[in-house]
Amino acid sequence: QQPVQSPQAVILREGEDAVINCSSSKALYSVHWYRQKHGEAPVFLMILLKGGEQKGHEKISASFNEKKQQSSLYLTASQLSYSGTYFCGTEILTGGGNKLTFGTGTQLKVEL
Amino acid sequence: ETGVTQSPTHLIKTRGQQVTLRCSSQSGHNTVSWYQQALGQGPQFIFQYYREEENGRGNFPPRFSGLQFPNYSSELNVNALELDDSALYLCAIPRGTPSSGANVLTFGAGSRLTVL
Repeated sequence: QQPVQSPQAVILREGEDAVINCSSSKALYSVHWYRQKHGEAPVFLMILLKGGEQKGHEKISASFNEKKQQSSLYLTASQLSYSGTYFCGTEILTGGGNKLTFGTGTQLKVEL
Repeated sequence: ETGVTQSPTHLIKTRGQQVTLRCSSQSGHNTVSWYQQALGQGPQFIFQYYREEENGRGNFPPRFSGLQFPNYSSELNVNALELDDSALYLCAIPRGTPSSGANVLTFGAGSRLTVL
């Protein structure tokens, strides 16, 4: 079942912060975050494994609440380059080929 | 440049036709996955190949089939094309698996298929 992302879209002024949420109904092994710009391939941002850890990369960080099967992506002091569609991809361990199930995406636009 | 090359980048077909999409990687990884991304949607898992054998499949009909070759390049074949098959088709290889075994992916730029 596809994870649910919220919000569907958000517009920010440069320098503002945003939070993107991802929620699953299944017990997750990991949560992945990707960003896709128009006409390009999705690009990996970070992965969170079960254990409730929080990871960060410059001004982008994420958390994973294993009990609630929820993850949040935090973008602080947004830059124009942050514009794109953000997808969470959830992973469960299966017997035949680990696959990512992606959410419907959150469109983020950063303006001057 | 992601190191994953897909061809063709764009193509147009008509209903009922067949299409073959190709994928190769610089690293020649032994695992490759294919995803379908409809407009405005997230990528959906089609199937995965590991050492030339199908190793997991999503909710796609048998007219979606694949091949992986000894050099680890891969093909996605779709028969009897339908209008709803119009989408971006993405090939992905493991990026460099952490010791935990999680499946971090590097995607190619995709092949955009339009079915008329």
